[in-house]
Amino acid sequence: AQKITQTQPGMFVQEKEAVTLDCTYDTSDQSYGLFWYKQPSSGEMIFLIYQGSYDEQNATEGRYSLNFQKARKSANLVISASQLGDSAMYFCAMRDNNDMRFGAGTRLTVKP
Amino acid sequence: NAGVMQNPRHLVRRRGQEARLRCSPMKGHSHVYWYRQLPEEGLKFMVYLQKENIIDESGMPKERFSAEFPKEGPSILRIQQVVRGDSAAYFCASSSNRVATGELFFGEGSRLTVL
Repeated sequence: AQKITQTQPGMFVQEKEAVTLDCTYDTSDQSYGLFWYKQPSSGEMIFLIYQGSYDEQNATEGRYSLNFQKARKSANLVISASQLGDSAMYFCAMRDNNDMRFGAGTRLTVKP
Repeated sequence: NAGVMQNPRHLVRRRGQEARLRCSPMKGHSHVYWYRQLPEEGLKFMVYLQKENIIDESGMPKERFSAEFPKEGPSILRIQQVVRGDSAAYFCASSSNRVATGELFFGEGSRLTVL
């Protein structure tokens, strides 16, 4: 069964520093997609970044990058130069040919 | 180009009443997913539908919950005889295809409160 694990319930980072949010996954499918979403206190789900299982290069979107290690089945999110507005819940998700499942999330707090 | 529209945004029901949550996917999208989020928790998959078909309902409670996505009109998540434990945010997401690399587009959620 598909499974997504985020082992960090909460993380703190100093403003302007980088932070890594961990995500591991488990699937028997060869083709799958990995996603990160941000959920601020207002509640909406905001798409951040996507990595395909066949992509050889790590995905990057502005200050977000995804550290994809296929053999280890990990897809960590790296946020560089943290900003106060980055404080939110962050969810890792995997989509295979059946459905899309989410991890339990990590609450990131950026300190001034 | 409207995104995924969910309504109502907030719904209050008393125990035993019915709750109906509606989701209109993005234009051209025929795949709809429903998720439930309890306070301070992650999103839990409930059901995946295509037009007129339920593809995967493994996350749906066996009783009181049902979902449909008719040929015309929005997808409906229906909760009968609501209980306090049903209080949660219910998110709908849509995509244009089933391929693993496709992104899901989320609505803003419907927040159900059961008194």
